[in-house]
Amino acid sequence: NAGVTQTPKFRVLKTGQSMTLLCAQDMNHEYMYWYRQDPGMGLRLIHYSVGEGTTAKGEVPDGYNVSRLKKQNFLLGLESAAPSQTSVYFCASSFRGGSTEAFFGQGTRLTVV
Amino acid sequence: AQKITQTQPGMFVQEKEAVTLDCTYDTSDPSYGLFWYKQPSSGEMIFLIYQGSYDQQNATEGRYSLNFQKARKSANLVISASQLGDSAMYFCAMREGMGGFKTIFGAGTRLFVKA
Repeated sequence: NAGVTQTPKFRVLKTGQSMTLLCAQDMNHEYMYWYRQDPGMGLRLIHYSVGEGTTAKGEVPDGYNVSRLKKQNFLLGLESAAPSQTSVYFCASSFRGGSTEAFFGQGTRLTVV
Repeated sequence: AQKITQTQPGMFVQEKEAVTLDCTYDTSDPSYGLFWYKQPSSGEMIFLIYQGSYDQQNATEGRYSLNFQKARKSANLVISASQLGDSAMYFCAMREGMGGFKTIFGAGTRLFVKA
């Protein structure tokens, strides 16, 4: 049972570089999310998707873009990385909204120097 | 706007004792759901328990129970018979609406279980 898989697990970027974080889920979930976790701030929603081909902004979307071309994949892109984007990034998915819990990936620790 | 507050940055509990982790929330939507997640030092997020705003009874899952006080807008997590493996970060979260999908999280409480 793979569940939610994030790639890569760790990455160091130089300021201004770009990268894409990949999230894959094998549970046929409709909803997928990207969060960032910073010390003392819990998890904050960056972008989310309620189905293939749809995306929407969360609480902290600036500096990030996303795409959901296939139902099982949700990509998070950083076009020009900044030190403020140093964080741990979590992808999550849920079957639907409401009472269903979200399943999380293992996280990606990103450092921008 | 929805908001989750966890006022205890850190908590200590003796092994085998019960502990309560506080969570208060704010929302204007009469329909919402409350979640608790555990994050051990390994980093993954583990779902623990869910309480819906219309649920009449407090949710329970094994050693976890949710003390839901709607009028006070609190959803405290109670862990009974604490174990060393319960040492972790605990997050309270809320999702608004019957079909809502945007979940917001509190800042978390770090629990330390002492042998």
